[in-house]
Amino acid sequence: KQEVTQIPAALSVPEGENLVLNCSFTDSAIYNLQWFRQDPGKGLTSLLLIQSSQREQTSGRLNASLDKSSGRSTLYIAASQPGDSATYLCAVRGSGGGADGLTFGKGTHLIIQP
Amino acid sequence: ETGVTQTPRHLVMGMTNKKSLKCEQHLGHNAMYWYKQSAKKPLELMFVYSLEERVENNSVPSRFSPECPNSSHLFLHLHTLQPEDSALYLCASSQTYRREGTYEQYFGPGTRLTVT
Repeated sequence: KQEVTQIPAALSVPEGENLVLNCSFTDSAIYNLQWFRQDPGKGLTSLLLIQSSQREQTSGRLNASLDKSSGRSTLYIAASQPGDSATYLCAVRGSGGGADGLTFGKGTHLIIQP
Repeated sequence: ETGVTQTPRHLVMGMTNKKSLKCEQHLGHNAMYWYKQSAKKPLELMFVYSLEERVENNSVPSRFSPECPNSSHLFLHLHTLQPEDSALYLCASSQTYRREGTYEQYFGPGTRLTVT
């Protein structure tokens, strides 16, 4: 059964810092990996989707990498801003997941201090 | 309205009540999903509908009953719930549904349910 772990569970940094969020998964047989953002009490917003054949994806100040063989992904946030404060969720789609193949981590709660 | 909408946003109900959650997607998608998000637990898939047919029921108790009358609307009917059912219930939609698919899911804002 696929398991997704996100480290750290919570992170608080001053504005302007570059930071890295980590995601690991136990079954490397995945089709893709997706990073989401969730604001308090709200739904999920998709940030980046990396196909299993890709190594990384970039969107603005966000860069996500994927090392499928080692079961790891990182989300790099450059020049963090208070508006980046949210919970970041990692999800993998593969044969070992739920009915739709998606297995989520518990998330990293990020606070950017002004 | 755009994207995926959910009503109500907050709901408090007793264990003997019957209530329904509503989800509507304005994206022209063919698949819709119900997820449960409990405190300190990962998102859990509950149901998947593709072209208005239920394609997955992820071992959900019968006190949760989904309904998909058309490809734009999804309901979750609730009855005789337990306090541990208190959670954020999220609806999502996608263009299509395939286990190996690379499609993206779009989420609604959720309904915060409290069972007393």
